[in-house]
This record gives sequence, C-alpha cells and structure tokens, in this order.
Amino acid sequence: AQTVTQSQPEMSVQEAETVTLSCTYDTSESDYYLFWYKQPPSRQMILVIRQEAYKQQNATENRFSVNFQKAAKSFSLKISDSQLGDAAMYFCAYRSAQVVVEGGSEKLVFGKGTKLTVNP
Amino acid sequence: GAVVSQHPSRVICKSGTSVKIECRSLDFQATTMFWYRQFPKQSLMLMATSNEGSKATYEQGVEKDKFLINHASLTLSTLTVTSAHPEDSSFYICSARVLGTGRYEQYFGPGTRLTVT
Repeated sequence: AQTVTQSQPEMSVQEAETVTLSCTYDTSESDYYLFWYKQPPSRQMILVIRQEAYKQQNATENRFSVNFQKAAKSFSLKISDSQLGDAAMYFCAYRSAQVVVEGGSEKLVFGKGTKLTVNP
Repeated sequence: GAVVSQHPSRVICKSGTSVKIECRSLDFQATTMFWYRQFPKQSLMLMATSNEGSKATYEQGVEKDKFLINHASLTLSTLTVTSAHPEDSSFYICSARVLGTGRYEQYFGPGTRLTVT
C-alpha cells in the first residue's frame, strides 16, 4: 500500500518570502501522479499543482513549484512571494496511474497535512 | 470549469435519524465520485468510491449499511448516513474526476458539516 508522509505539521513564513513544504511517499509503482492540495479555513479543497511521475520536468504554476525527486520519493512544494491568502492547510497526495481495469485505483492517498501561517 | 457542489453545507440531526448529502458535478460528467470524511485538524480519509450505475466500493472498516451511497446519474452521487449517532459527527467531502478527457485530477466539493445531537 502506498503511504504519504508530511513531516512538518506546521510552518510559518513572512509575507513576500519563500517557503518549502516537504512530502515523501512510498510506493512500488513506477507510474503515478502526485498532487498538492490547499485547504483554507473555508475547508474547500483546492488543487494547487500536479506532477506526473513519468515527467522529469518539475511542475510550475505561477508562484508554486515542486521539486520532484523520483528516486528519493520526494515531492516538495515551494511557494514564492508568499501572500496572506496562501495561509491554509496543505496536503500532499498520491494517485496510482494504473488503469482501474488492470487493478489500479483512482483513490487519492493523502498525507496528514502541513498548516502554513503567513505573517504580515 | 470542474465545479462540484454539495448540499447541504451544514446539517444538524437527532441521534437515530438518517441524513442524506448530495454531491453534484455542475459542469462536467463524472462516472466516479469519491466520499471522504475529515475529523478536526486531520487529513481526509476515503470512505468509498461511488460508481455510476453500480455498487459503491467501500474502504476497509467503513460500514456500507450505515453509509449508503447511490450514484444514479453522471452528475449526482448521494451519501446517506443511516441511524446517525454522535460519533458520526464529522466533515464529509465529495470529489469527482472529469470524465473522458484523460484528465486525472479530482475536484472537490465544499464539504458538509454533520452534527448529530
């Protein structure tokens, strides 16, 4: 079974600064997807960024980028120019890329989350 | 695009009664929807995978007779908590995957807070 570990329960950053959230995962599969989701106080889960394991290039979405290290099974999220609106819980998640009819699962496996505080 | 709604957003019910929560994909079709439960300050725990036109697949430890899931159309899945008890109080979230585009990410509803008194 796959597992996702977020070792930082809480992080804080000054507004306009950069912060990196850590995520490691364990899997025996070679093809999969990784995600970072944001959950603000409203509790609405918002997709921040996604990465396909077969792609060597790190995904980037505006101020958000990842450092994907497949051999190390590491998937960290970097937030640049942090804004007050970035304050939220951040969840790292894993999903198998194996097709369901071949025994794969579409379910997301989540880490326990990191609470990010942005200080003005 | 890819908006998922849930109704109601909050519900309070008495112990022993049943509560139905709806999950709708508003601008896309979804053969598969997912139901999660989230306790305060914890991560999301998958309860079941809802498949249109067939029985739901429940995760280990989830009582299928207590948490009834129906996925009657490509845009609607429902979760019914039967004979609710205070320990069923939680935040329930659904998600859906966009069908037929090759996209694989899940989009989440805003959640339903259930309080059982």
